[in-house]
Amino acid sequence: GQNIDQPTEMTATEGAIVQINCTYQTSGFNGLFWYQQHAAEAPTFLSYNVLDGLEEKGRFSSFLSRSKGYSYLLLKELQMKDSASYLCASLDSNYQLIWGAGTKLIIKP
Amino acid sequence: ETGVTQTPRHLVMGMTNKKSLKCEQHLGHNAMYWYKQSAKKPLELMFVYSLEERVENNSVPSRFSPECPNSSHLFLHLHTLQPEDSALYLCASSQDGGTVNEKLFFGSGTQLSVL
Repeated sequence: GQNIDQPTEMTATEGAIVQINCTYQTSGFNGLFWYQQHAAEAPTFLSYNVLDGLEEKGRFSSFLSRSKGYSYLLLKELQMKDSASYLCASLDSNYQLIWGAGTKLIIKP
Repeated sequence: ETGVTQTPRHLVMGMTNKKSLKCEQHLGHNAMYWYKQSAKKPLELMFVYSLEERVENNSVPSRFSPECPNSSHLFLHLHTLQPEDSALYLCASSQDGGTVNEKLFFGSGTQLSVL
């Protein structure tokens, strides 16, 4: 079966760094997405990786290892506004998105 | 503002009621989607429309009925719902649908409570 695993909840301190992991098992692979969703708001696109390696976008970076079926989202210099849920989704061979249940990130002062 | 607008934001309905959710996208996209989001569960894809034609229906109960009158508007008609249908219903759009690295643009959702 197809499956995405990510931690349910994480807590971090303002100004620190946090890494949110995601492992996937899908029928084929056409890339991995990360979305951010603040409470009661729309999910918004953060990143897309299809090749191995790290891609950096300001304070946020996303990493992919296709051989390990593993990705992570790295958030640096955490701010209170980064408190949100982070959704991992894998695109399978039929271009269907397989979603994880999301990781709720709590930032403390 | 993501370019995708959903109304209403909140809806409470009884099991015998009929209601409709509305979604409008201002992005010129050709594909629109309905997702169900329940607490601590993955997003569930319900329906996909591409160029106003339904291309996917993921075994959704018939009490949910989608309608896509044009590429900018999407409706979800609800009738005789069950309490377990209570969830956040998200609408999304994308440029063409079903292509590599095509990102989704979501609305803020309708929080539905069925009593």
